[in-house]
Formats: sequence, structure tokens, C-alpha cells
Amino acid sequence: GNSVTQMEGPVTLSEEAFLTINCTYTATGYPSLFWYVQYPGEGLQLLLKATKADDKGSNKGFEATYRKETTSFHLEKGSVQVSDSAVYFCALSPTPGNTGKLIFGQGTTLQVKP
Amino acid sequence: SAVISQKPSRDICQRGTSLTIQCQVDSQVTMMFWYRQQPGQSLTLIATANQGSEATYESGFVIDKFPISRPNLTFSTLTVSNMSPEDSSIYLCSVEDLSTVSGYGGYTFGSGTRLTVV
Repeated sequence: GNSVTQMEGPVTLSEEAFLTINCTYTATGYPSLFWYVQYPGEGLQLLLKATKADDKGSNKGFEATYRKETTSFHLEKGSVQVSDSAVYFCALSPTPGNTGKLIFGQGTTLQVKP
Repeated sequence: SAVISQKPSRDICQRGTSLTIQCQVDSQVTMMFWYRQQPGQSLTLIATANQGSEATYESGFVIDKFPISRPNLTFSTLTVSNMSPEDSSIYLCSVEDLSTVSGYGGYTFGSGTRLTVV
């Protein structure tokens, strides 16, 4: 079946540190991959996406590359800020545009200290 | 991308009562999705709401507990019935943006309804 596995949290970093949050997936076919962010007390916001192998999604200094050979979609940022503190969810859509089911990882909490 | 207005944003309800959550989308969409996020957990799909037909429920969720309406292509409601403290969660609606200026748009979520049952 389809599934998403994220690294355990919480992740605690100092401001300006480098961030990596690992995400691997299991899926049949050619899924689309997403990173969502949930700031404290808020709903989900799409952070970035990639729809095919080797695509790189990027937004707000965050990047993730769709690696089909390693079934991974790791999230990276070169220099985190306190305002990046949030919960990050990796997700996949098995067949975009058809049934539309979105499968989430368990979420990784990021805490950035000044 | 689509813009979703969800309300209420939060509510505190007595056990045994029901709460109806509304989602309004600024464009016509075929399917709308309802998710539950229990405290400290990830999101779980409750059901898919299609206009003109009954909603399709995921394993573990039933229509009697979570009735859904989809009267047109821009609106849907989810009711949480006969609530208990275990229903305390964030409930979110979502739509899939199939086509945007930059191509496939992924999924957009409402801001969520934070429900506390006492």
C-alpha cells in the first residue's frame, strides 16, 4: 500500500542552522509529493510540491527533490529562522486528479531557538 | 489556487450534541475532502464528498457519526454527531487544485475547525 514515513521529532535547532527533515515513501505508480507546514494554532499550508522524478520543489528557502531511486523527498533549508518553528508534514497523492486521496506522514515538529 | 473559507474556526461543545462545520470554496470543484487531526497526530481522511451523490467514507468512519452534505460544487458541510470527548480534534476540509498557472496545484486546505468536547 501507499505510506509516508518521516523522521521522528521534535527537531531543535539554533537560528541560522541547516535543516534536514527526512521523508521516505512507498507507493505504486507515480505519485505526487508534498510538504505541508502547520504553524501553531493554524491550518495546513502547502509549502512545496513535486509531481515527477527529479523535480525540485522550492519555496521560502525550503527545498525538496523527488528521488525515485531512493523513494525520498527530504526537506532542507540552509538557514532556519525562529519563525520557521512549526510542524512539517510530508504527504503523497497516489494518483493526482483521480480519487484525490492524500496520505500524510506523522509530522515532524521543528523548534528553532534564537 | 483555490481559496477555502471554513467555519467555525473553533468551538467548545457539550457531549451528546452535534456540530456542523461548513466549507465554502471560491471555485467549482468536483470533490471535497474532510480530514481529522487528533491532538498531536497526523491527518486522517474521513470521507470524500462528491456533488450529487453520497459521500465515500474511509475505514473507521461512518455516515451516522459524520454525515456530509454537498449541495453544489462550491460548498460542503460535515456534521460531528452525538459528540464525546474523543471527538476533540481539528477538522479540515480540502480540495484538489488540478490546474493552475504553474500546472498541477496540489491540495488546498481550509484553516480548520478546532473542536473541544467537554
